[in-house]
Amino acid sequence: ETGVTQSPTHLIKTRGQQVTLRCSSQSGHNTVSWYQQALGQGPQFIFQYYREEENGRGNFPPRFSGLQFPNYSSELNVNALELDDSALYLCASSSTSGDRLTQYFGPGTRLLVL
Amino acid sequence: AQSVSQHNHHVILSEAASLELGCNYSYGGTVNLFWYVQYPGQHLQLLLKYFSGDPLVKGIKGFEAEFIKSKFSFNLRKPSVQWSDTAEYFCAVKLLSSSASKIIFGSGTRLSIRP
Repeated sequence: ETGVTQSPTHLIKTRGQQVTLRCSSQSGHNTVSWYQQALGQGPQFIFQYYREEENGRGNFPPRFSGLQFPNYSSELNVNALELDDSALYLCASSSTSGDRLTQYFGPGTRLLVL
Repeated sequence: AQSVSQHNHHVILSEAASLELGCNYSYGGTVNLFWYVQYPGQHLQLLLKYFSGDPLVKGIKGFEAEFIKSKFSFNLRKPSVQWSDTAEYFCAVKLLSSSASKIIFGSGTRLSIRP
């Protein structure tokens, strides 16, 4: 157990719909990152939030957006869902100490888009 | 573009065999290096990490990895595997010129252990 929780565990949506995924960080962690893990692939970095502001983004379109709240919990929002958005979405929290980053991952939310 | 390569997609070993999983990255600057493990039905767990200093790092469950800077490699090793080591293993690299906590993952190596 890493102390990072995600909800829901599974979700089924249809093309064009919108989805919100949630993450609660490990206590004391002020940074949260979101990753997309397609079947048979490694996680791909979506974006990171530090103290409620986005401070890094991977190669994902603007329809992927997020929020971080004062209690450091976080949301990932995806608009206009496409079939290729079907994946495991991972949240990882960290407490950066200079460059010595260690991220702790949650169990993920499995999203299926039909 | 920066990338992380894990050349072995699926490795099958018998119990007690020695293990070495390859990981290479393409980035000329300073990096932090990680190996994560994903057991069936479970979430990603950190096996070990390298930040600086001794290039041979020891992790949990008897795993170790060696950073060879000249080869841009960070191979994972275990002298004697057990059936419970069956899992997916991911190498990951953090690029230290990046202000964000972006970690690039390899595509993973599936390890199957025959009892």
